[in-house]
Amino acid sequence: GIQVEQSPPDLILQEGANSTLRCNFSDSVNNLQWFHQNPWGQLINLFYIPSGTKQNGRLSATTVATERYSLLYISSSQTTDSGVYFCAVVSGGYNKLIFGAGTRLAVHP
Amino acid sequence: SAVISQKPSRDICQRGTSLTIQCQVDSQVTMMFWYRQQPGQSLTLIATANQGSEATYESGFVIDKFPISRPNLTFSTLTVSNMSPEDSSIYLCSAKISNQPQHFGDGTRLSIL
Repeated sequence: GIQVEQSPPDLILQEGANSTLRCNFSDSVNNLQWFHQNPWGQLINLFYIPSGTKQNGRLSATTVATERYSLLYISSSQTTDSGVYFCAVVSGGYNKLIFGAGTRLAVHP
Repeated sequence: SAVISQKPSRDICQRGTSLTIQCQVDSQVTMMFWYRQQPGQSLTLIATANQGSEATYESGFVIDKFPISRPNLTFSTLTVSNMSPEDSSIYLCSAKISNQPQHFGDGTRLSIL
């Protein structure tokens, strides 16, 4: 099946710093989503982005489907950005999401 | 987007018992899914809950351990049977409407003593 790899696995930032999280996938995808899991375990939809670029406030995402990767940009990070960021993809004729291992982000004041 | 409610939000159970988790969506959805997240790990799909028929289980998950019901287009349940400490996880329900992204409930945090 399709493999989803995220990097880096862990990231520590000072408040105000920028960061880029990467998601590589091993096959073509029909759907790609980025999620933020906050410290309380809630999984928040960030982007639905099978291709192209989208922006939402301080966050933006770019998926280059032909090269099988997606990037999540966080600018001017805040302590509330802490948590785990997951990339998940749908491949083939199914609708099930396959998750990467996640990037654990800690933003310190 | 769909609003998904899960209950209970958390529970502590004795080994050997069973717990049923409920998932309610505020609109009719095409597909519903159940995921497990073990401590410190990513999410793994348990099964797709099919309306009016048996659920479709992923490799490593069986119906006897994780029976699933989906009586209509807005509701599903997952039962974790004969629990052991290894079943301590967060269990999440998700739903998908046609070409929209999947949305998740807040999860059920389960601890087995």
